[in-house]
Amino acid sequence: QVHLVESGGGVVQPGRSLRLSCAASGFTFSSYGMHWVRQAPGKGLDWVAVIWYDGSNKYYADSVKGRFTISRDNSKNTLYLQMNSLRAEDTALYYCAREVRLARGGSYFDYWGQGTLVTVSS
Amino acid sequence: DIQMTQSPSSLSASVGDRVTLTCRASQSISTYLNWYQQKPGKAPNLLIYGASSLQSRVPSRFSGSGSGTDFTLTISSLQPEDFATYYCQQSYSTLRTFGQGTKVEI
Repeated sequence: QVHLVESGGGVVQPGRSLRLSCAASGFTFSSYGMHWVRQAPGKGLDWVAVIWYDGSNKYYADSVKGRFTISRDNSKNTLYLQMNSLRAEDTALYYCAREVRLARGGSYFDYWGQGTLVTVSS
Repeated sequence: DIQMTQSPSSLSASVGDRVTLTCRASQSISTYLNWYQQKPGKAPNLLIYGASSLQSRVPSRFSGSGSGTDFTLTISSLQPEDFATYYCQQSYSTLRTFGQGTKVEI
């Protein structure tokens, strides 16, 4: 069965960096686009970034563009999120999610990890 | 970016009620609209994709409709386990966006 397990969260000071990982299993990781979605405490879902199945394209929310970098290692079935210049407003539970593309267009997230908590605080 | 606006922000309903949640996009997104349910302390769970297709193993009391800018999620007969927050999400743009959520209280 499909499993996505995030790790790497923790408490970090503003301006510092952190790298999150998402270990995938139970499916052919290299065939799927992958996303990061975050959720601040008590708030809604906030899309962060996407990487295509082969790593050829990456896109970011305006709020993290230039500070965060999404990457993947298909040989290790692992997705990453490098987060630099962290701010208090980046405090959130970070989920990785698998994307399924529809033949007629569009896509959806069918599997999500359990999330890893990032707290940015001095 | 495409803005997604959900209404209401919260609602209170009784078991057995028919409940309709609304999601509006800031521009036309065809039928590239998904609905997720999230319970406290859990990851979101896909309910509806492509505006009206029911995800496997999701109860048939959930249904979705709409196209263009206006979409609805309907729960035909609310059950106690449906207490949750519901989010819409567009996949028309490469930069995905979610609505702010509708909290359904039983």
